[in-house]
This record gives sequence, C-alpha cells and structure tokens, in this order.
Amino acid sequence: AQTVTQSQPEMSVQEAETVTLSCTYDTSESNYYLFWYKQPPSRQMILVIRQEAYKQQNATENRFSVNFQKAAKSFSLKISDSQLGDTAMYFCAFMKANRDDKIIFGKGTRLHILP
Amino acid sequence: GAVVSQHPSRVICKSGTSVKIECRSLDFQATTMFWYRQFPKQSLMLMATSNEGSKATYEQGVEKDKFLINHASLTLSTLTVTSAHPEDSSFYICSVRGGWETQYFGPGTRLLVL
Repeated sequence: AQTVTQSQPEMSVQEAETVTLSCTYDTSESNYYLFWYKQPPSRQMILVIRQEAYKQQNATENRFSVNFQKAAKSFSLKISDSQLGDTAMYFCAFMKANRDDKIIFGKGTRLHILP
Repeated sequence: GAVVSQHPSRVICKSGTSVKIECRSLDFQATTMFWYRQFPKQSLMLMATSNEGSKATYEQGVEKDKFLINHASLTLSTLTVTSAHPEDSSFYICSVRGGWETQYFGPGTRLLVL
C-alpha cells in the first residue's frame, strides 16, 4: 500500500523568505504522479504543482518548485519569495498512474507567512 | 483543468433527516468523481469513488447505506447522507478526475447536524 508522510505539522516564515515543505512517500509502483495541493482558510483545495514520476526534471510553477528525488522517494516543495497569501494548509499527494485511481494524501503542513 | 461546483455550500439539518449534496463538473465530462470527508485540521479522507452509470466503490469503513452516491450523468454526482446524526457533521468535498491525470476539487459543503 502507498503512504505519504509529511513530517512538519506546522511552519512559520517571514514574508519574502523561502520555505521548503518536506514530503516522503512509499510505493512499489514505477509510474505515478505526485502533487502538492494548497488549502487556504476558504477550504478550497487548489492544485499547486504536479510531477510525473517518469520525468527527471523538477516541476516549476512561478514561485513554486519541487525537488523530486525518485530513488529516495522524496518530493519537497519550495516556495520562494513567500507572500501572505501563501498562508494555508499544504498537502502532498500520491496517485498511481491508473486512469481511475484515487489520490492518497499526507496529513498536511500548516504554513503561516508572517508579515 | 476542470471547474467543479458543489451545492449547497453549507447546510444545517435536524438529526434523523436526509441531506443531499450535489457535485457538478462544469466544463469536463467526468466518468469518475470522488467524495471526501474532512474533519477540522485534518487531511481529506476518501469516502467513495463515484462511477458514472454504475455503483460507487466505497472505502473500508464507510457505510454505503448511510452515504448514498448517485452518478447519473457525466457532469453530476450526488451524495445523500441518510438519517443524519450529529457525528455526521463534517466538511464534504468532491473532486473530478480531469485532464493531465489530476484531480480538481469542489469548494466543499459544510454539514451541521443538530
């Protein structure tokens, strides 16, 4: 069975700083997808970034980038130039490369951006 | 991506009544939708996978007779909480498997059972 572990329940950083959220996972699958979702106080789940396991290049979306280490089964999220609007719960998620398979979420990291 | 709506956004009901929550995929035909439950400050817990035109697949420990799921069209799935009790109070979220093998989420429904 697949598992996703986020070891940082809560983090706080000053605005404009860079912060890295950790995520590790366990799977015997060779092909899969990894995601970071953001859940702000509104509770709307928002996709931040996705990574296909077969791609070696780390995904990047503006200020958000990942460090994908397949052998180590690690998938960390880096937020550069953090903004107050980045304050949210961040969930790391895993999904097998199967058309109708479910997503497995980590327990989340609550990130506070301080003014 | 896919745009997903949920209705209602919040509902309060009396214990013993049934409540229906709708999940609509507004711009994507979804053969598969997912229903989650989220307790305060916790992660999302998958309840069931809703399949268009067939029975839903429930996760272990989820009572299928209590949480009825109907996926009658490619754009609509409904979750009915039957004979609701206070312990059913929670935040319910649906998602759609959209393009790029990604799930897109509705805004959620907050259910309070008195």
